[in-house]
Formats: sequence, C-alpha cells, structure tokens
Amino acid sequence: GQQLNQSPQSMFIQEGEDVSMNCTSSSIFNTWLWYKQDPGEGPVLLIALYKAGELTSNGRLTAQFGITRKDSFLNISASIPSDVGIYFCAGPEETSGSRLTFGEGTQLTVNP
Amino acid sequence: NAGVMQNPRHLVRRRGQEARLRCSPMKGHSHVYWYRQLPEEGLKFMVYLQKENIIDESGMPKERFSAEFPKEGPSILRIQQVVRGDSAAYFCASSDRDRAGRGYTFGSGTRLTVV
Repeated sequence: GQQLNQSPQSMFIQEGEDVSMNCTSSSIFNTWLWYKQDPGEGPVLLIALYKAGELTSNGRLTAQFGITRKDSFLNISASIPSDVGIYFCAGPEETSGSRLTFGEGTQLTVNP
Repeated sequence: NAGVMQNPRHLVRRRGQEARLRCSPMKGHSHVYWYRQLPEEGLKFMVYLQKENIIDESGMPKERFSAEFPKEGPSILRIQQVVRGDSAAYFCASSDRDRAGRGYTFGSGTRLTVV
C-alpha cells in the first residue's frame, strides 16, 4: 500500500520558536491532511489541502501541498506550550478513498 | 458533547478473553471507521461500515476480529481470544457520508491492554 514518511521523528524546541515538519510519499496523493494528537486523545484535523501548490493557514499553522503531489509540509510559528503533541500527515488511499493512510508522526516538545 | 463517543476509554483483558469496544457516531452520521494505533506508530485502517453493512474490512485481521454497526445502537469492534499483540489504542471515526478525503472526526479512543 501507499506509505507516508514524516520527518523529523521528534523535535525539541523553545517556546516562541518556529517549527517545520514534512511528509513525503513515493506515490501521488490528491489530498493531504494534517492532524494533531494530544496525549490520551484521538487525532484532530488541523488543515486539509486539496490542490497541488495550495498554501493554507489556520492561525499560527501553515501547510502546503507540494507541486509533485508527493509531499507536504506543516509550519507552526511562534510555538507555545500547548503545541506539544504528535503531528500526523494523512491522505486517502488511491485504491479506496474511504481509507486514510497515516504517517508515523512527528513528536513535538515545547520547552517554556 | 455531540462528538464521536467511544467506551470504555481504558480496557484491561487477560490473554484469551474477549474485548468489546463501542463507538457511538456523531448524531446523523451513518458511516463509521475503525483504526488501530500501536505504541509509537501512526493509525492503521481496520474497517469501514455503514448501517448494517461492512463496506471495507481489508485492514482487519482475518481471525479473532469482527465489527458490526447495527441499525440501532453503537458500532462494536470485537476481539476474541485477545493476545498481547492486540494491546493498542483503537479509534473510531464517523461521517455523514464517505468523506475520508475531507478528514472525518475521530473519537478519543479505547486503550486496550492485554495482560
């Protein structure tokens, strides 16, 4: 099946710093989704991207859909302690739009 | 809270017992999806159901696992004769139509521990 590779696996930053993480695939995705998972909770959708080249913001978060359709990145500006969590990229599988493929996640730690 | 409700939040079972995980979708939603998350990993698709029908169970192990979404009541994910490798967080999501491409809403999950 399709796979999504996220990097970095983990990040340790100071409050106020900007963060960038990305997601790549060997195959094309027509939709890119970014989720955040807080400890002990389910993933929550942050941003959805539907067009190659699209740049979308949600508050301090900005995500882009790569031109090749094989990658996406997520930026968080001016990080705060509540940004701590695991960030996942995901996309509907080519063979079945009902299934989402998830990356392995980027664990973000923000030191106050 | 009108979100996707899962219970129990935590479930401990001994090897060989049965585990039943429940998912009540958001009001008006007739599509339910189950995912499994092993420690330190991303979510993996298990099964997609509509009311009284299994639409896609390609991610579900062939043995010991079953899922249903009856006309009335919650969706149930059932694991028979649990083994230690079944220990994971199980998440349910729901939608009003097939909308994986729009990012459906997840519940808070059931964390299953097999001892």
